[in-house]
Amino acid sequence: NAGVTQTPKFRILKIGQSMTLQCAQDMNHNYMYWYRQDPGMGLKLIYYSVGAGITDKGEVPNGYNVSRSTTEDFPLRLELAAPSQTSVYFCASSYYPSAEAYNEQFFGPGTRLTVL
Amino acid sequence: RKEVEQDPGPFNVPEGATVAFNCTYSNSASQSFFWYRQDCRKEPKLLMSVYSSGNEDGRFTAQLNRASQYISLLIRDSKLSDSATYLCVVNTLPPNFGNEKLTFGTGTRLTIIP
Repeated sequence: NAGVTQTPKFRILKIGQSMTLQCAQDMNHNYMYWYRQDPGMGLKLIYYSVGAGITDKGEVPNGYNVSRSTTEDFPLRLELAAPSQTSVYFCASSYYPSAEAYNEQFFGPGTRLTVL
Repeated sequence: RKEVEQDPGPFNVPEGATVAFNCTYSNSASQSFFWYRQDCRKEPKLLMSVYSSGNEDGRFTAQLNRASQYISLLIRDSKLSDSATYLCVVNTLPPNFGNEKLTFGTGTRLTIIP
């Protein structure tokens, strides 16, 4: 299993450009998440999905969009990139209901995005 | 007040020493608690879940104090490979539910010195 994969690893955007961050998982997890991590800050949830066709906003959704057409893929779209979106973006997945006593969340390796 | 507060460190500790971190949380409705480990420029990985009765996993011991709303992590006989940032994570959902209500602390940075 590859686990959670993300592409690209790094990207530099100009203000106003758009891009899609790709995320895929091969663990048949129903839940998927997008987080951003800014220096000195905790991870903040952008969007999440509890299954194909179902998405919902997290704590910091403004400036982003998501879709979930398949169980495996959960792309994050940035429209009109702004310097405030410079961050490290992590995709994660988990399975509910968990067979374990706790629900472990598996993260991808992250995408480092700089908006200039 | 931050929902989850951690001392950012850095903690510089000699190899073989014991080190402890605390984390406080403000939401009394929190139901499940975790420690994640994040290596430099890598993704977070679950270290351990924190149970009400406290739990131990090898050299790592986690404790929960609901009355005072804090969680602790103790690392005994520290190794060079323990150098990382330790994230305190709190969930208002039960431990085996979804993770959409997780709140992450900013992390405590630990460096083990040879």
